[in-house]
Amino acid sequence: GEDVEQSLFLSVREGDSSVINCTYTDSSSTYLYWYKQEPGAGLQLLTYIFSNMDMKQDQRLTVLLNKKDKHLSLRIADTQTGDSAIYFCAAHPPMNRDDKIIFGKGTRLHILP
Amino acid sequence: DTGVSQDPRHKITKRGQNVTFRCDPISEHNRLYWYRQTLGQGPEFLTYFQNEAQLEKSRLLSDRFSAERPKGSFSTLEIQRTEQGDSAMYLCASSLGDSEYNEQFFGPGTRLTVL
Repeated sequence: GEDVEQSLFLSVREGDSSVINCTYTDSSSTYLYWYKQEPGAGLQLLTYIFSNMDMKQDQRLTVLLNKKDKHLSLRIADTQTGDSAIYFCAAHPPMNRDDKIIFGKGTRLHILP
Repeated sequence: DTGVSQDPRHKITKRGQNVTFRCDPISEHNRLYWYRQTLGQGPEFLTYFQNEAQLEKSRLLSDRFSAERPKGSFSTLEIQRTEQGDSAMYLCASSLGDSEYNEQFFGPGTRLTVL
């Protein structure tokens, strides 16, 4: 089955860019997601990328997908204190096979003043 | 607010007691999912429904767990004879389920603490 791995912690200075990396194992995953979870809150979908895309940009967020290496990254430009949260990488197999999202363990982003 | 709602938000119970959680999905959504998130982990899939039919159950869902969606709208997740290892955040999500891109919208979760 699918396995999603990501580093557990990242510290970044306010104003710098944050880059969170993720690897997954199932090359047939159709959609790859980045979710944000703030303390005591549910999951917020930040952005997603379809598996036939290489890059997606949405305001301060840039997602890069290297399908050959099964590597996904999330870049947050001009990181702010409000970006402090846990970021989950997640993969979605093709819907005709499975309809559950496989999550990584999450990367805790800490913003340094 | 027309998002996914869950009730209660917090539940503290003693080991051995039964607990039941409720999830109300977004009204036009056909699919409803349950995930469990333990401390320091990402959410793990438990089960999902297409309307009232339960289509898949994870091996994480032991015999003590049962989920229902009797009328294809709200769903309940019951845990019988709770154990300390059941302490977790239980997340519900819903989706339209009829398109290739099937975004799952998550509720705020029910945090269960078993003493």
